[in-house]
Amino acid sequence: AAGVIQSPRHLIKEKRETATLKCYPIPRHDTVYWYQQGPGQDPQFLISFYEKMQSDKGSIPDRFSAQQFSDYHSELNMSSLELGDSALYFCASEDGTGSLTGNTIYFGEGSWLTVV
Amino acid sequence: AQTVTQSQPEMSVQEAETVTLSCTYDTSENNYYLFWYKQPPSRQMILVIRQEAYKQQNATENRFSVNFQKAAKSFSLKISDSQLGDTAMYFCAFMNFIIQGAQKLVFGQGTRLTINP
Repeated sequence: AAGVIQSPRHLIKEKRETATLKCYPIPRHDTVYWYQQGPGQDPQFLISFYEKMQSDKGSIPDRFSAQQFSDYHSELNMSSLELGDSALYFCASEDGTGSLTGNTIYFGEGSWLTVV
Repeated sequence: AQTVTQSQPEMSVQEAETVTLSCTYDTSENNYYLFWYKQPPSRQMILVIRQEAYKQQNATENRFSVNFQKAAKSFSLKISDSQLGDTAMYFCAFMNFIIQGAQKLVFGQGTRLTINP
């Protein structure tokens, strides 16, 4: 079965640079979530989208922005990168239409961001 | 706001043994979902099992089963006949029920489980 696809899987950026992470949800999933996981921590919710509209925001810095496009893929843009942004970034998707397959969130393999 | 607590930071058992991971949560909602996710050393986040709060029957998936106690707000995971591949960080997670739309997961702190040969 198709899973959530994230790219790139690894990237290294310097401080103050910009990075963009991409996420392709499971086909027919209309809901996308972004999570950040630091070393030894549980995943922290950043932002979510349902039907291409922002649904909820968590602890996402103002330097970060995200959107969901017409084909339901999503991009997380991170600017003015700081050393503390180094983390594993997960995208996850869900069927948010209220169907029987809904209310279960599936994660991608994550994108490792290292800021040096 | 909902909170999820995993009181066991680390656990270790021998292969083939049974192990139970604990999780408690706090919510004022009546309808919700609970999950266990597994994160092996590869750091991939893998869904292990899902429980709907309105169902009294405990969910099972092969060697994995839960003990869901709604009144006590407890949701433990039992792994039977543990295997080396079960070595991972296990996260308990809560999600509110909504008919449509996005509803984020709230995670516990995780339990690092090691299966020894």
